[in-house]
Amino acid sequence: QSALTQPASVSGSPGQSITISCTGTSSDVGRYNYVSWYQQHPGKAPKLMILEVSNRPSGVPDRFSGSKSGNTASLTISGLQAEDEADYYCSSYTSSSSLYVFGTGTKVTVL
Amino acid sequence: EVQLVESGGDLVQPGGSLRLSCTASGFTFSASAMHWVRQASGKGLEWIGRIRSNAETYATAYAASVKGRFTISRDDSKNTAYLLMNSLKIEDTAIYYCARHVSDRTTIGDYWGQGTLVTVSS
Repeated sequence: QSALTQPASVSGSPGQSITISCTGTSSDVGRYNYVSWYQQHPGKAPKLMILEVSNRPSGVPDRFSGSKSGNTASLTISGLQAEDEADYYCSSYTSSSSLYVFGTGTKVTVL
Repeated sequence: EVQLVESGGDLVQPGGSLRLSCTASGFTFSASAMHWVRQASGKGLEWIGRIRSNAETYATAYAASVKGRFTISRDDSKNTAYLLMNSLKIEDTAIYYCARHVSDRTTIGDYWGQGTLVTVSS
């Protein structure tokens, strides 16, 4: 099971919007609406930001939104803030025996 | 407050074994499935496996990269999940996290531990 493909880095200025893509296959992202997104600051554990493509857990700002089209999911951060600078990982349930697959990760830099 | 605390990380030689623990508090551990996820230094996250609850017969599933070498178990009386790692390889060196399965969802990790470091080296 190969990792989902994400851009290595994305950057934006405070207040801008950025979008991170997550490309999989018809066996994972394209088959299931079980895509989630995680934020990870250096030296910290991941934090769930989006589940089931577009649902935000309680406490996650509505600046974070998710969507999916075909085999590609996306995370959009609107009104970028300094504290959003972190690594972001997507994940999907998959039809393979390895039930879950993560993305390659994207470093978000706030300029 | 939900807390997950991993322990047991250590330096181990290639071919050796190690057991990690994940002790939970602040929620009904026995009703929750639990996952293990690892992250090599400077690398991305890798799902290792999960164990379901007693209600789902403690069913386990593993990533292909560790299947046959790693075993996940749990002791609900101790609110603890375990990851037994055998035949360790240098490429198993990583921080190992446990994470709670999101209830009634097909999603890893609404809560994560802080991780424990496993180093495989001679």
